[in-house]
Amino acid sequence: RKEVEQDPGPFNVPEGATVAFNCTYSNSASQSFFWYRQDCRKEPKLLMSVYSSGNEDGRFTAQLNRASQYISLLIRDSKLSDSATYLCVVNLGDNFNKFYFGSGTKLNVKP
Amino acid sequence: EAQVTQNPRYLITVTGKKLTVTCSQNMNHEYMSWYRQDPGLGLRQIYYSMNVEVTDKGDVPEGYKVSRKEKRNFPLILESPSPNQTSLYFCASRGGGSGNTIYFGEGSWLTVV
Repeated sequence: RKEVEQDPGPFNVPEGATVAFNCTYSNSASQSFFWYRQDCRKEPKLLMSVYSSGNEDGRFTAQLNRASQYISLLIRDSKLSDSATYLCVVNLGDNFNKFYFGSGTKLNVKP
Repeated sequence: EAQVTQNPRYLITVTGKKLTVTCSQNMNHEYMSWYRQDPGLGLRQIYYSMNVEVTDKGDVPEGYKVSRKEKRNFPLILESPSPNQTSLYFCASRGGGSGNTIYFGEGSWLTVV
């Protein structure tokens, strides 16, 4: 089983739609969780960290469910510029220097 | 500006010809790492370093070497490249603490023929 799993998509949504991605992780001791965004052929960039209580940054909301071992990302009012691949990142619980990346979920926002 | 710089960005080489991909960061980060990204497999860690002269294997270290003689530099060495090492490679760095951001270089496209 992979350490981190994501639905690869693609998710094809119209502008203005709300879309949600989930990511499951296998190590119950994992401590740090992030969502990264990767544009085609570019380096991943931090979108947001995921905190235990959930957190919001503008149109983006991230949530953590430790009991079910998944994190989620909600994007409201989708823009064309949100089209990208979204990577879920989880650290290995007993080693803050080992991070596992999901394969990514591709989002296409259409006019 | 916070940067992770890697070179070369694009390289086509032949099987068995040693090559080095350099990586440098200007953020005084202790942690540096190399990843490779392949379709359907996501980013996989090759090696990481927690400080000067401290390196450890990631999940796919076979066929690679690294060194960390200075804090800012973390080169990736392919002693005898093979076609299965054709991939997109990212260098990354990160400050201390569990929640800190990972910064990536722009990536190096390597093709081994």
